[in-house]
Amino acid sequence: AQSVAQPEDQVNVAEGNPLTVKCTYSVSGNPYLFWYVQYPNRGLQFLLKYITGDNLVKGSYGFEAEFNKSQTSFHLKKPSALVSDSALYFCAVRDMKKTSYDKVIFGPGTSLSVIP
Amino acid sequence: DAGVTQSPTHLIKTRGQQVTLRCSPKSGHDTVSWYQQALGQGPQFIFQYYEEEERQRGNFPDRFSGHQFPNYSSELNVNALLLGDSALYLCASSLRTVRPYEQYFGPGTRLTVT
Repeated sequence: AQSVAQPEDQVNVAEGNPLTVKCTYSVSGNPYLFWYVQYPNRGLQFLLKYITGDNLVKGSYGFEAEFNKSQTSFHLKKPSALVSDSALYFCAVRDMKKTSYDKVIFGPGTSLSVIP
Repeated sequence: DAGVTQSPTHLIKTRGQQVTLRCSPKSGHDTVSWYQQALGQGPQFIFQYYEEEERQRGNFPDRFSGHQFPNYSSELNVNALLLGDSALYLCASSLRTVRPYEQYFGPGTRLTVT
């Protein structure tokens, strides 16, 4: 079964330090991977995606993610965290079954807190 | 360029009642997907509509139904509400023939069942 795991429920980082939010996936075939961010009482905002090509993907708000096929990981990173980055982060994978088109499977989410 | 809009923002219903949630997709999009996000969890796929037909469905009972209109807007209906249906309901739109996997989400409707 296709799935997404985010091993950390909570990540705390000091403002100005680099941050990493971890994601691993299990999917047949080549994965389409996504990161979304959710602020309190808001919908999901798209950050970045990996479809093919360069393993390092750059996205919105200075975020980037590294695709690692051998480790089936797609970790989200940012060189210098801001307090405004505090939010809930979701990793997601496209369901690769032919009958599922753009059904997206989400991980459980990781709460990021950036401490001033 | 209007993004995805949803109404109402919040809703309180009683067990056994029925509810209808509404979604207008991003301009130019033709596909609408609905997700349920329970507190502390990731969104769970309910179903997807394209060309006014349900194209895919997640693991949700028949109490959950939907509709898509000719202008691509969509409704989610839930019958015989249960306490466990309390959640944030998210609508996402996409353009099926171009980049179906690029979904834009609305702000959601917070449903509370008492």
